[in-house]
Amino acid sequence: GAGVSQSPRYKVAKRGQDVALRCDPISGHVSLFWYQQALGQGPEFLTYFQNEAQLDKSGLPSDRFFAERPEGSVSTLKIQRTQQEDSAVYLCASSFSVATGSNQPQHFGDGTRLSIL
Amino acid sequence: KQEVTQIPAALSVPEGENLVLNCSFTDSAIYNLQWFRQDPGKGLTSLLLIQSSQREQTSGRLNASLDKSSGRSTLYIAASQPGDSATYLCAVTYTDKLIFGTGTRLQVFP
Repeated sequence: GAGVSQSPRYKVAKRGQDVALRCDPISGHVSLFWYQQALGQGPEFLTYFQNEAQLDKSGLPSDRFFAERPEGSVSTLKIQRTQQEDSAVYLCASSFSVATGSNQPQHFGDGTRLSIL
Repeated sequence: KQEVTQIPAALSVPEGENLVLNCSFTDSAIYNLQWFRQDPGKGLTSLLLIQSSQREQTSGRLNASLDKSSGRSTLYIAASQPGDSATYLCAVTYTDKLIFGTGTRLQVFP
């Protein structure tokens, strides 16, 4: 496709359930990022992949959050034992070049809106 | 720690006005600064990217300036239109990630 695709667009889960969010980056993009956006706030960085390598996971809020990109293309963000504070929009972005020092823009998907009941 | 602040938080103006949105950041060691637009329920659309060595970028009715030493950027929107209504986010590329401000919610009414 032409842009970054995320699925599902909306996800409702009960507290304690596990969820998996998918991101299909733009074909050929080396870098992939996950961000978390709470209501009324700017996105906050979660983690960064360069191809299949997870180079930065400093933004993951707890060990319940896990991300992977096994073949350097599609990525999955998994949240285990969800809690109400995990409710947010999760945005995925991809970029053509490596992140550090890059002047290539990040292209964002429309996000997955996660609601934990 | 890098922090990005945007002023004002919200703005409501009649169409035709020229607007200035402000962004400030605490650490000048940035690679670039980007302005994004976010429509409700949507992702982010990159409007302008200013490299750290540049002073400004222009695209159509939009002009963004960067003063890296003072940690400031402004987004100038000329002759605003109702279709410009959205949230505008400023972000700096810091190490390997984007650090975002909380945005300016703009409403342009006919």
